[in-house]
Amino acid sequence: GAVVSQHPSWVICKSGTSVKIECRSLDFQATTMFWYRQFPKQSLMLMATSNEGSKATYEQGVEKDKFLINHASLTLSTLTVTSAHPEDSSFYICSANDGGGFNEQYFGPGTRLTVT
Amino acid sequence: GQNIDQPTEMTATEGAIVQINCTYQTSGFNGLFWYQQHAGEAPTFLSYNVLDGLEEKGRFSSFLSRSKGYSYLLLKELQMKDSASYLCAASDSNYQLIWGAGTKLIIKP
Repeated sequence: GAVVSQHPSWVICKSGTSVKIECRSLDFQATTMFWYRQFPKQSLMLMATSNEGSKATYEQGVEKDKFLINHASLTLSTLTVTSAHPEDSSFYICSANDGGGFNEQYFGPGTRLTVT
Repeated sequence: GQNIDQPTEMTATEGAIVQINCTYQTSGFNGLFWYQQHAGEAPTFLSYNVLDGLEEKGRFSSFLSRSKGYSYLLLKELQMKDSASYLCAASDSNYQLIWGAGTKLIIKP
């Protein structure tokens, strides 16, 4: 149980275009979803926290107009990277918790974005 | 401020034991997580401690001392597949995870 999927697993896009990444909780309802970014050989960096039906809370330094997050249902959150630039190339990982237990976060497999 | 410290890199020999330490400072505390992350993959959950003491799960054990703000992950009978980064994360008063930078563990034959 507690499976989180992400789509696509990898994407290459041209500079200036937008890319949407989907994160789905397959067998549980995710009260909260998290979006992380990870550059090579660095640790996870939390970008934003989203709760179903409400606006996402962005971490300091993360541009909310550039990284649009929508958490429209208890099983789906999307991250849209708008007007992508090469420096946005990174590994984007989502996680979700179901609000129970000890608040463990279940991670998706990640999406590798390359902007050319 | 909130902070997690863990060594950047460690090396150990196949079949041996290794201990990865983590110290934390958070606003409130709701538990300490350890995750394993292989290169190019997402983290996978290893353990969770909220009370003082040792939690054993097969070859992996995790220890917590709340008074010292200290945890360690103990890996026994190391296998080559254990080569990965190990991430320590503390849950603060808002249940938000504060992540360490990760410890890259290199296993040598």
